[in-house]
Amino acid sequence: NAGVTQTPKFRVLKTGQSMTLLCAQDMNHEYMYWYRQDPGMGLRLIHYSVGEGTTAKGEVPDGYNVSRLKKQNFLLGLESAAPSQTSVYFCASSYNTDYLRGTDTQYFGPGTRLTVL
Amino acid sequence: ELKVEQNPLFLSMQEGKNYTIYCNYSTTSDRLYWYRQDPGKSLESLFVLLSNGAVKQEGRLMASLDTKARLSTLHITAAVHDLSATYFCAGTSGAGSYQLTFGKGTKLSVIP
Repeated sequence: NAGVTQTPKFRVLKTGQSMTLLCAQDMNHEYMYWYRQDPGMGLRLIHYSVGEGTTAKGEVPDGYNVSRLKKQNFLLGLESAAPSQTSVYFCASSYNTDYLRGTDTQYFGPGTRLTVL
Repeated sequence: ELKVEQNPLFLSMQEGKNYTIYCNYSTTSDRLYWYRQDPGKSLESLFVLLSNGAVKQEGRLMASLDTKARLSTLHITAAVHDLSATYFCAGTSGAGSYQLTFGKGTKLSVIP
């Protein structure tokens, strides 16, 4: 049981390049999330998904796109990277039933450190 | 729009001392979470607080929630070096919401 995994762990891009970050979870969670963490800013929600085939915008969605074609995977895309997107990106997942029971928690992946030059 | 404020943002404390981290939130939040993050690592869930007056304890950490004051606290008892980390609180945007809004975090350093 690997939990939440993220690929890659590190990446350096030039301005204007594109890339896709992959998040995978093996816990059969319905909900998945993408956050970015910047120094002194806490975590901010980029996009989230409540199930396979669904996505929704979070607090800071501009410049990012997401897809959830399979329940276990959640992809985050940057079509044209900008220096302002230099950040650490975390994926997380959770059970919807745990939320209803009040025992929910989000399980976080190890993070992807992205630098845009 | 939910805003979550933590204070202090930095806390240096001696081993064996007690201290409290405060988390204020601006509007109704369905529940309140506390997470821990070690340097360069991911986030680990500590507590989920659901209702007014909720109190949860794990080891030297105790979290409480006062929904009327829109305040949660994380109390550290007899701090040890292993508790050095950044602690985040997070709230949800409203009943039934699973979108978390995080505070900026409190970086705790426990020194001998």
